[in-house]
Amino acid sequence: GAGVSQTPSNKVTEKGKYVELRCDPISGHTALYWYRQSLGQGPEFLIYFQGTGAADDSGLPNDRFFAVRPEGSVSTLKIQRTERGDSAVYLCASSTGTGDEQFFGPGTRLTVL
Amino acid sequence: QKEVEQDPGPLSVPEGAIVSLNCTYSNSAFQYFMWYRQYSRKGPELLMYTYSSGNKEDGRFTAQVDKSSKYISLFIRDSQPSDSATYLCAMTRGSNYKLTFGKGTLLTVNP
Repeated sequence: GAGVSQTPSNKVTEKGKYVELRCDPISGHTALYWYRQSLGQGPEFLIYFQGTGAADDSGLPNDRFFAVRPEGSVSTLKIQRTERGDSAVYLCASSTGTGDEQFFGPGTRLTVL
Repeated sequence: QKEVEQDPGPLSVPEGAIVSLNCTYSNSAFQYFMWYRQYSRKGPELLMYTYSSGNKEDGRFTAQVDKSSKYISLFIRDSQPSDSATYLCAMTRGSNYKLTFGKGTLLTVNP
């Protein structure tokens, strides 16, 4: 079946702009996660959804970052007033339930000029 | 000091070699230990999953966990060029959803 998909695959924006990154999880997966992977680093946890609610957003770096999952399926990560330090690959993962294997998408490569 | 330390390499070996990849960690609360493989421009994919100390084998791959030393290893036997990728260790506490990753080790297997 189809895996986790993320759009766009690449996003180039200017400092100060607003961006939205989309994640389509595997059908039927109730848990969804966002991670950020900076160059030469491992992924770092941002936020976890169980169903429609954000069960743990402790990894969001500041209030410029926000994520939603209004219908318990697709999720959008929103970044306001982007900064050059936000440049990274944003990975989405989903799992059948909490604690189950997380399946990762290919990521969105965000570049802030 | 980061919670999980992993030598980023790069590591280059000839085809057929045995590869040893390692991570150390500082937080004794970690209970679940994983190894992911990440090809260039792709997301990580789970290779091995172990709970607590001990060994686990799956084909050419063996994962070892030594909780007393806070040290985990992945061994790859008869390495193949298709094994060329970045290998990431990851671990979680009892909550088992927030993965904490190492930096990853870039491995190249030369034919």
